[in-house]
Amino acid sequence: EAGVAQSPRYKIIEKRQSVAFWCNPISGHATLYWYQQILGQGPKLLIQFQNNGVVDDSQLPKDRFSAERLKGVDSTLKIQPAKLEDSAVYLCASSSLVGDSYEQYFGPGTRLTVT
Amino acid sequence: KNEVEQSPQNLTAQEGEFITINCSYSVGISALHWLQQHPGGGIVSLFMLSSGKKKHGRLIATINIQEKHSSLHITASHPRDSAVYICAVRSETSGSRLTFGEGTQLTVNP
Repeated sequence: EAGVAQSPRYKIIEKRQSVAFWCNPISGHATLYWYQQILGQGPKLLIQFQNNGVVDDSQLPKDRFSAERLKGVDSTLKIQPAKLEDSAVYLCASSSLVGDSYEQYFGPGTRLTVT
Repeated sequence: KNEVEQSPQNLTAQEGEFITINCSYSVGISALHWLQQHPGGGIVSLFMLSSGKKKHGRLIATINIQEKHSSLHITASHPRDSAVYICAVRSETSGSRLTFGEGTQLTVNP
């Protein structure tokens, strides 16, 4: 079974520029998550999709961050314009319901550096 | 106060030592996860627990629901165990959403 794919793996941009990340979840997984992980901290949920609908985006800075999951499969996360504090690893994960439990599978992440 | 607290934040051990990482949480949960993160960012799920104890190879995870506490043990530690270990909980009311601890950086020296 192929895992969660993310691209790019690394990105360096200047502040005020725009950047986009792409995620392809495990086939058949209805739920997709984007997390932000700042160095030395645990991941923080940015947005959760169920199929192509948003379940939770309460911690997404909507003035600069946007995400979409067209057709309920791939997803993109965009930052426009980027700030220095956006430097972090952006993780995508997907899950499906197995019995009454959810197991999340994580992608390798995209490391963003904003200079 | 974070909903999920881990201790210690950093741990250095010699190869062969028995290692314990602790996780305390403050909400009612439906499941607790232990995750491993190697340099480069990828996260791998080690265990998902809702009660009792699970064992996989040299790794053992326990949970005490009444005390809201879980431990991850590594027996006969090895340098390849060096990684960040993260505790995450799924609350009773959050569906599939996870709340993460800040992680424990483990370094095992040869």
